[in-house]
Amino acid sequence: SAVISQKPSRDICQRGTSLTIQCQVDSQVTMMFWYRQQPGQSLTLIATANQGSEATYESGFVIDKFPISRPNLTFSTLTVSNMSPEDSSIYLCSGAGGNEQFFGPGTRLTVL
Amino acid sequence: TQLLEQSPQFLSIQEGENLTVYCNSSSVFSSLQWYRQEPGEGPVLLVTVVTGGEVKKLKRLTFQFGDARKDSSLHITAAQPGDTGLYLCAGANSGGSNYKLTFGKGTLLTMNP
Repeated sequence: SAVISQKPSRDICQRGTSLTIQCQVDSQVTMMFWYRQQPGQSLTLIATANQGSEATYESGFVIDKFPISRPNLTFSTLTVSNMSPEDSSIYLCSGAGGNEQFFGPGTRLTVL
Repeated sequence: TQLLEQSPQFLSIQEGENLTVYCNSSSVFSSLQWYRQEPGEGPVLLVTVVTGGEVKKLKRLTFQFGDARKDSSLHITAAQPGDTGLYLCAGANSGGSNYKLTFGKGTLLTMNP
């Protein structure tokens, strides 16, 4: 299994600003993903973070709003840009190797 | 688009009761994973099932993968307060570079006082 950490664990931000979330995996993983989750609800995949190239975004998510970086096999960042209250959510990073996927503890974002 | 129907969405039980959570799909998955998530934490992987008809046990939890690899169930025997949380099933559509999970909507398990 992989141990995944995220920073920050939570933040309260003003509308119109941007927040960058960092994700660190303790071992090399084949793939890294970013999800969004409303409390008590299931996960929605935002994008697959590709090492050294542009992320692959799911329908409804765009690079200008959620730029993602993955400079190496164990680190990725997600930026939530020009935030609005609708972006308030939990953002989760995950890493996958083989046929198993492991998750970070999440970043709880509140936009005022 | 693959869909995974998870039921029930909410489950409130008494300590000591048995319960079953179901995940059903019209699509075949290469593997299926069950997660449990507590408030303020990320989902924690409980089990991965790969083979059709596979049954795995984790203490009081029994996981089954359907013969056709389209459905799965999680059965908890004699539920304890520590079993509460959000249970998520997730099907993997492929391996290698195409690996991606499809999540069910989750089952929120609570315990009656």
